[in-house]
Amino acid sequence: NAGVTQTPKFQVLKTGQSMTLQCAQDMNHEYMSWYRQDPGMGLRLIHYSVGAGITDQGEVPNGYNVSRSTTEDFPLRLLSAAPSQTSVYFCASSYGQGMQKLFFGSGTQLSVL
Amino acid sequence: KQEVTQIPAALSVPEGENLVLNCSFTDSAIYNLQWFRQDPGKGLTSLLLIQSSQREQTSGRLNASLDKSSGRSTLYIAASQPGDSATYLCAVAKGGTSYDKVIFGPGTSLSVIP
Repeated sequence: NAGVTQTPKFQVLKTGQSMTLQCAQDMNHEYMSWYRQDPGMGLRLIHYSVGAGITDQGEVPNGYNVSRSTTEDFPLRLLSAAPSQTSVYFCASSYGQGMQKLFFGSGTQLSVL
Repeated sequence: KQEVTQIPAALSVPEGENLVLNCSFTDSAIYNLQWFRQDPGKGLTSLLLIQSSQREQTSGRLNASLDKSSGRSTLYIAASQPGDSATYLCAVAKGGTSYDKVIFGPGTSLSVIP
């Protein structure tokens, strides 16, 4: 069982470039989310989805877009990268409504120059 | 606004010692609380999930307790091993149906010295 798979593991972008971070889970989880982790700030929720076709904003959504066309996939798009988006990004999934056990991917380390 | 703190920020102990990690939250109206482990360069792994109606959960050498009235949870690790070295984070969920109410603590970095 692969669990939650994130790609790429590392990425360097120039300011203004766009890119998509991929996240896929094979556990048929309804809930998926994206977090960023920054030193001294902890994990902060960017966007989340409670099912295919349904997405909502978290604490820090500006500069990011998401879509959920299938249960398995939840890509995160950076529209125009900024140095402030340098961070480690984690995708997480869980079964059902309410915070149940969260399964995390291994993360994407993003640097924006 | 719910705030979650973890003290200490870092802890170093000799192998074999029993230890306690602390998690405090300001709003006692929580849905549940979850403890995670994070190894360097890796994602988070869920260790224990305590529902608001529960007082504690146990898994192997780990025991997590929850005291909502005082806004505290503790993670007890028995007979620590070098393999326990990692960062431990707690997260509280306020709403039962809304994941945007999950707040993470900053974590405690644990080093177990052989």
